[in-house]
Amino acid sequence: NAGVTQTPKFQVLKTGQSMTLQCAQDMNHNSMYWYRQDPGMGLRLIYYSASEGTTDKGEVPNGYNVSRLNKREFSLRLESAAPSQTSVYFCASIIRGQKDTEAFFGQGTRLTVV
Amino acid sequence: LAKTTQPISMDSYEGQEVNITCSHNNIATNDYITWYQQFPSQGPRFIIQGYKTKVTNEVASLFIPADRKSSTLSLPRVSLSDTAVYYCLVGPTGTASKLTFGTGTRLQVTL
Repeated sequence: NAGVTQTPKFQVLKTGQSMTLQCAQDMNHNSMYWYRQDPGMGLRLIYYSASEGTTDKGEVPNGYNVSRLNKREFSLRLESAAPSQTSVYFCASIIRGQKDTEAFFGQGTRLTVV
Repeated sequence: LAKTTQPISMDSYEGQEVNITCSHNNIATNDYITWYQQFPSQGPRFIIQGYKTKVTNEVASLFIPADRKSSTLSLPRVSLSDTAVYYCLVGPTGTASKLTFGTGTRLQVTL
């Protein structure tokens, strides 16, 4: 059981380049989330998808787009990368029971924009 | 969403019990309290979740007073491997919603 898988693990981009970060989960979860974490800081929510076919903005959506391709996959796209987007990006999927909510995180994508 | 306040950092010696308190004065009736642990270069990991009174699992205990305006994560007999950042989250379960992390509490355990 792989859980939440993110690709790539590392990436260096030049300013202005575009790229898509991929996230897939095999736990049949409905909700998926994208976060960024800057050095020494907490996680900030970029976008989330409550269910297949829906997406919503989080705290810091500017400069990003997302696609909930199907129930398993939730991708994050940087159309024109900027140095301010240098960060570690985490994807999470969430199981929501009647009493429990537990988020499972991927290993992260470390992105550097030069 | 209920705003949470935690200490920025805490220090402990190995073998001690550590209690991390989180304040959430505007917690709503249908909100649960959840704690996550994050090691460097890894994503957060679920530790424990509760609604009221006390919850205990193999890793930690969570104490929630009757007014639910705060909660305390208790780590018994910490070891060096418990050095991590601990996040307190407050929000509803059973429905899709934003899952917002604060800055967390950085726990440093030393010998």
